[in-house]
Amino acid sequence: SYELTQPPSVSVSPGQTASITCSGDKLGDKYASWYQQKPGQSPVLVIYQDNKRPSGIPERFSGSNSGNTATLTISGTQALDEADYYCQARDSTTIVFGGGTQLTVL
Amino acid sequence: EVQLVQSGAEVKKPGESLKISCQGSRYSFTSHWIGWVRQKPGKGLEWMGITYPDDSDTRYTPSFKGQVTISADNSINTAYLHWSSLRASDTAIYYCARLAETDTYIDVWGKGTTVTVSS
Repeated sequence: SYELTQPPSVSVSPGQTASITCSGDKLGDKYASWYQQKPGQSPVLVIYQDNKRPSGIPERFSGSNSGNTATLTISGTQALDEADYYCQARDSTTIVFGGGTQLTVL
Repeated sequence: EVQLVQSGAEVKKPGESLKISCQGSRYSFTSHWIGWVRQKPGKGLEWMGITYPDDSDTRYTPSFKGQVTISADNSINTAYLHWSSLRASDTAIYYCARLAETDTYIDVWGKGTTVTVSS
């Protein structure tokens, strides 16, 4: 079965750039999406189809996907960006999630 | 605003059956795949399976096949997740999720249903 691998945790200072990676075999041949989940809340889509932002998502969120790695980049990270982030791709007829990355802003 | 409204929290005993629901509103319910996602306490998101309400095409992730049943009732725009015999290991939050028209990502999430299975 297809697997997506994320680092368990990433730390960033306020105002700096955070990068969260997601690795999978030939992931660049698929669309990658990213979700933000804060404690006690449902996930929220922040990036879809590699690099598109849904309405209402700040411009500081961006994405890329090439080769075997997709990357979520948060520029000018704010304290309110502290959350768990999950990458996701579609493999054949199924949806696959990465294991999640806890982003700490300190 | 497009919404997925899920049924309330459940507390059950091992061996009991359970069906939780997810009602879609303000969109064409039969035109989008609806899936279910499990999140165990303190853990990540797990994709369970998906159904297409228009033709009842239903597919399961291998680890969930035979453990749950996913269905939908188009007359009331509602999808279901059913267990015939719960286990303590089924304790989790269950989210329903709508796939976007391209079927490659989730554009709408329900608020989740907490299921607690304990003797």
